[in-house]
Amino acid sequence: NAGVMQNPRHLVRRRGQEARLRCSPMKGHSHVYWYRQLPEEGLKFMVYLQKENIIDESGMPKERFSAEFPKEGPSILRIQQVVRGDSAAYFCASSPRNKAQPQHFGDGTRLSIL
Amino acid sequence: AQTVTQSQPEMSVQEAETVTLSCTYDTSENNYYLFWYKQPPSRQMILVIRQEAYKQQNATENRFSVNFQKAAKSFSLKISDSQLGDTAMYFCAFMKHVAETSGSRLTFGEGTQLTVNP
Repeated sequence: NAGVMQNPRHLVRRRGQEARLRCSPMKGHSHVYWYRQLPEEGLKFMVYLQKENIIDESGMPKERFSAEFPKEGPSILRIQQVVRGDSAAYFCASSPRNKAQPQHFGDGTRLSIL
Repeated sequence: AQTVTQSQPEMSVQEAETVTLSCTYDTSENNYYLFWYKQPPSRQMILVIRQEAYKQQNATENRFSVNFQKAAKSFSLKISDSQLGDTAMYFCAFMKHVAETSGSRLTFGEGTQLTVNP
C-alpha cells in the first residue's frame, strides 16, 4: 500500500521560472493538504483540496501560487515567477474521507531558487 | 485561530533515559485532536501519537506517551528508554474537529530538536 507520493524530491529553478510540484495521495484518500516549511521553521498550512474542489486556501499567498486536484491524476501546486523567498520544503499530506483521521505526509519536495 | 507553542527549541537526553517535550496551545474549540509528529534528518514527517480532546485517558504508543491537560491546554510528550533513532525534530500539532466527512488543517508548533546522546 503505497504512501503519499511527491515528485520531484528536489527541484531547482531560476528566478522568474515556474515550479510545479506533484502529489499523489494514499489509495483511498480524497483529502489533500499542502504545507510549506521554511528553513529552521515549522510547517505552515497552505491549502486543502478535495477532488475538483478547493476547500480552504486561506494559507496560500494571494499571488503566483495556485493549487488543483483534478478528477484524474495528482494534485499540483504551481508557483509562477518564483523568487528566492519561495525556497522551502513543500509537503503534501492526505487523509481519508470519513472521520477526522491523521494526515499522512509525503517525503516533501525541496525547492531551491537560484 | 489556533496557536501552538513549543517553548523548548532544543533538548538532549542520554540513551535509555526519559525525556519530556512540552507543548501548549490556544483555542476556543471544545472538540479537537492533538498530534506529535517526528521529523528525522531524512526530513520525513512521521506520526508519533494522537490524542482526541474528548478522551480523558492519555494516549500511549510503546515508548511514547502524552500528558494531556485540557484545562491547562497542555500536551506534553514523554519518551521513555530513549534510543539513538529518536534523534529528530518533534512537532506538536492541533486539528479542530469538523464534520465526519470533512478534513481540517493542522496547525504546527515551531518544533523541538531532540538529540539522544550515546
